[in-house]
Amino acid sequence: DTGVSQDPRHKITKRGQNVTFRCDPISEHNRLYWYRQTLGQGPEFLTYFQNEAQLEKSRLLSDRFSAERPKGSFSTLEIQRTEQGDSAMYLCASSLIQGHPNTEAFFGQGTRLTVV
Amino acid sequence: GENVEQHPSTLSVQEGDSAVIKCTYSDSASNYFPWYKQELGKGPQLIIDIRSNVGEKKDQRIAVTLNKTAKHFSLHITETQPEDSAVYFCAASGPSNSGYALNFGKGTSLLVTP
Repeated sequence: DTGVSQDPRHKITKRGQNVTFRCDPISEHNRLYWYRQTLGQGPEFLTYFQNEAQLEKSRLLSDRFSAERPKGSFSTLEIQRTEQGDSAMYLCASSLIQGHPNTEAFFGQGTRLTVV
Repeated sequence: GENVEQHPSTLSVQEGDSAVIKCTYSDSASNYFPWYKQELGKGPQLIIDIRSNVGEKKDQRIAVTLNKTAKHFSLHITETQPEDSAVYFCAASGPSNSGYALNFGKGTSLLVTP
């Protein structure tokens, strides 16, 4: 297993366009998180999935954002009508929850979005 | 919600010296405290973590200490090497967090000079 994989690594888009990012978690990891990281800041939680169910969304996640995790495997994060303020690194992390709810989370390399 | 503060924001040490990064948290229910290293253009990499039932944990040149009463925890790197240069993030998690998601500090940029 090569770890958490994210695609694309970089995305430049014009304001108003839609973009979609993909995350492939470590196989058999049942929990998947999306975070956003802006320059000089730590990652901020956006949403998470337990298997295929999206269980929580941060207030940072506006209506223009939607995430899916069909079949509990890979996940996609879509941003509609992008704005310049959406420019950030979007990080995906996965973990295996067995019994204890708090276990190590492993991050992907991220997708850097630039909205021009 | 949980608030994690991290100090210093930048740290410069000479190769071979020790580096210490400190974090405080606000939610007494937090029970898991990982540290991540992030190199330029890459995602955060877990380097060490500690749970609230342990006061100290060590892994080769890296150690983490936790003081639950004072709600602070620290990362200690001994015998620093130039390849230790990166941004380090502390984080806290517990039952108050959505899905035990991590609350991160703002990061410490560590520079190890030869």
